[in-house]
Amino acid sequence: GAVVSQHPSWVICKSGTSVKIECRSLDFQATTMFWYRQFPKQSLMLMATSNEGSKATYEQGVEKDKFLINHASLTLSTLTVTSAHPEDSSFYICSARDRDRYGYTFGSGTRLTVV
Amino acid sequence: AQKVTQAQTEISVVEKEDVTLDCVYETRDTTYYLFWYKQPPSGELVFLIRRNSFDEQNEISGRYSWNFQKSTSSFNFTITASQVVDSAVYFCALSEDQAGTALIFGKGTTLSVSS
Repeated sequence: GAVVSQHPSWVICKSGTSVKIECRSLDFQATTMFWYRQFPKQSLMLMATSNEGSKATYEQGVEKDKFLINHASLTLSTLTVTSAHPEDSSFYICSARDRDRYGYTFGSGTRLTVV
Repeated sequence: AQKVTQAQTEISVVEKEDVTLDCVYETRDTTYYLFWYKQPPSGELVFLIRRNSFDEQNEISGRYSWNFQKSTSSFNFTITASQVVDSAVYFCALSEDQAGTALIFGKGTTLSVSS
């Protein structure tokens, strides 16, 4: 079945540094990638939607200059949290939509802790 | 606008009890998809079921069953003879039948099954 590999699984970084999270579709072409954030004991909130080769569309309240999304190929999308602060600590998870068949494949998530 | 409501925040049962998780959705589309996901403590999302809006047949998969009723905009999930391994957060989600649309999640129901 379709697999999305997300790395790293967890990361601890110092306040003010940047962190890059990668999501790679292993056996299908991810024409659309969705990025979600989940705070403890809360639901998954959509941050942005990116289509291959296009600029990402951000949800209201999500800072596009802080959360940089790149979707340069059909198999790779990245989310970079720039100048991270403790309030950015969260669980980030990507979801890829396959062009050829209906469905959403989720990565395993990245737990970010900013200290 | 789309919306998914999971009114039950937390449910606690004892092993072998049956439990039903409620999901009510709102959408203006005539074509849409409903999903259930399980999120164990590890964080990754486990896909359970997808149902399109034209298929109101109930589904049974082992101890799991789903009841989809368009008349009440509900898509409830029942676990029969619950087990400790069923303990997790369960999310109901909705998507429109359009390319590039994201899944919208309910707030989730935390199920605790004790032995």
